[in-house]
Amino acid sequence: QSVLTQPPSVSGPPGQRVRISCSGSSPNIGSNYVYWYQQLPGAAPKLLIFRNFQRPSGVSDRFSASKSGTSASLAISGLRYDDEADYYCATWDDSLSGVVFGGGTKVTVL
Amino acid sequence: EVKLVESGGGLVQPGGSLKLSCAPSGFSFSSYSMQWVRQTPGKGLVWVSRINTGGGTTRYADSVKGRFIISRDNAQNTLYLQMNSLRVDDTAVYYCAREEDSGPLVDYWGQGTLVTVSS
Repeated sequence: QSVLTQPPSVSGPPGQRVRISCSGSSPNIGSNYVYWYQQLPGAAPKLLIFRNFQRPSGVSDRFSASKSGTSASLAISGLRYDDEADYYCATWDDSLSGVVFGGGTKVTVL
Repeated sequence: EVKLVESGGGLVQPGGSLKLSCAPSGFSFSSYSMQWVRQTPGKGLVWVSRINTGGGTTRYADSVKGRFIISRDNAQNTLYLQMNSLRVDDTAVYYCAREEDSGPLVDYWGQGTLVTVSS
């Protein structure tokens, strides 16, 4: 059972916009920045979004994120086949004094 | 280019020990806090441990507290994870990761090293 709650899967046809939610609570998302990671099949995770909504250089602007209260979300617009991956939200938890991850969301392009 | 290369994984019996290493390159290792994160095959990411730049402050997930020790040698440019009293449920790919400038989440990950605990 993960501290942060994500849907197990989302899917859509090429070109569509999909959204992944990440729900937490006051000591984690409510008090700290949210990060998002993309993990392609067989690969290590890669930073996609940092400090709630900022993109590292090289990350496509098709990826966007937001945070409100104790929830956050990641949106992928113009869905492409190479977006098929697992996506994880993460943040620091002040009560646990550690990093907490969501359970991951598998994105499938139909 | 930032690179992190883990080593030391392998097969170990329950109750045994293993020491993982992580060799960083492409950045000033001593200026960054570092972390270990693990992933059971087919499952999600789970944070394991964190160490600050000087090595004097460490944090552990409850599941490994008292059994794992994170350390670093800034002179040798190496991060370590000493794993003792290993259990079957410690089986996972272990990733070394660099914390972002202002922390405490990570921005770069290694490719991981597989630890299998089995009799």
